This record gives sequence, structure tokens and C-alpha cells, in this order.
Amino acid sequence: ETGVTQSPTHLIKTRGQQVTLRCSSQSGHNTVSWYQQALGQGPQFIFQYYREEENGRGNFPPRFSGLQFPNYSSELNVNALELDDSALYLCASSSTTLVPPGNTIYFGEGSWLTVV
Amino acid sequence: LAKTTQPISMDSYEGQEVNITCSHNNIATNDYITWYQQFPSQGPRFIIQGYKTKVTNEVASLFIPADRKSSTLSLPRVSLSDTAVYYCLVGDIAGKAAGNKLTFGGGTRVLVKP
Repeated sequence: ETGVTQSPTHLIKTRGQQVTLRCSSQSGHNTVSWYQQALGQGPQFIFQYYREEENGRGNFPPRFSGLQFPNYSSELNVNALELDDSALYLCASSSTTLVPPGNTIYFGEGSWLTVV
Repeated sequence: LAKTTQPISMDSYEGQEVNITCSHNNIATNDYITWYQQFPSQGPRFIIQGYKTKVTNEVASLFIPADRKSSTLSLPRVSLSDTAVYYCLVGDIAGKAAGNKLTFGGGTRVLVKP
């Protein structure tokens, strides 16, 4: 519905492994950000990408990294997975060329990561 | 980004109007107020956004007083499917400087009963 698609929808990883999550932003949106949502809590901002560069970061360690591609799609990479990394990872996109209310931020359905 | 305070939970019945008030005392001049709805295991869904006075769309109304230190989301005639968590967010979301840096609080869990 929002035009923001994420993959995979669910995955299980072992502690210490690495994971890559993918996001396709809504058509025309040039800014992508990632959020982590633990069970029962609100989403927490991880970082944002604009023009293929990170331009904002929340309180997450360097093992959380990302990429944005020329077509504005994005990846979230997490290295050395820990049990506490188990969460719903959300991708959100918007356009910096639009002004409110046109610059609505849209979320994907998320990727459920379980670390065992 | 301005901090927001909203009730932890609210119960209602089908057909009733639900009003959720959010406090944001330190809202800045460039800040907009945005509400999202989230169902379990799904991404937040945009409901409504406003800057001042009243905004209405097909699903909700947003009332913002002149001082903008609070806002009220109004859901008319709720149904069981409106049971969800509702988040109030305040921030300067226009432009790349702020972009998508939304600060979510705990949200309000709304339970609609038959």
C-alpha cells in the first residue's frame, strides 16, 4: 500500500552472524531511513540515507551499517549479531523535494529478525 | 525533536468516537505533528499530519490549539479493526536536514470492544 517494500519478511540468524536487509523506497522518494522496533516498544531510529550518504544516525553501534543505491533503494547490514538484535526492522522513505503535507514518511511492513 | 506525552492505553466501544491527546510542550516553530497507526507485526501507517488549527481527512481529524503545545487525534465511529497502537510524533520533517528522523514514544494502545 505504501510503496515501500522490504525483504526478507522473516529470518532467523545465529549469534555472531551477519545479516543484510533490503528496502525499496516509494517511487520518487529520495530519502530512506531505518528503524529498529523491539517487541512492545516504539520504533527507534537507526540511521538515514540521502544522496547515497548517511546524514543522520541514532544511538546504534558501528556494526549497524547501511547503503543507499542510485535508485534510492537501501540495505541495512548488521554484523556480529547479538541476541538483543532480535526485532522488527522498518524501512521508511520520503522525498525532500516535497513540502508538507506532501512529504509524508511512509513505512514498509518490516523484516522480522530473530537471533538465536 | 520535541518530546511527546500521550496516554499509555485507552478502551472504547464500536461506534464511539475516540480522542487521543498528545502533549508536546517544547514544540518548535518548524515542527509538524504527525500521527501513525500500527497493528501488530506491521509497519506504522500514516494517519494524519498538521501544523495548526484543524486538519481532517477520510479517516481522522487532528485538532491543534493556537499554542500548539498539544494536539488531539479524533477517530470517529471506531470499529474493532481500529484496535492498534497510535503514535504522536513531532518534528521538522521537511528537508534533508531532518528528513526521516522520527522519534517515537511508547504510543497509545487503543482497544475497541464490541
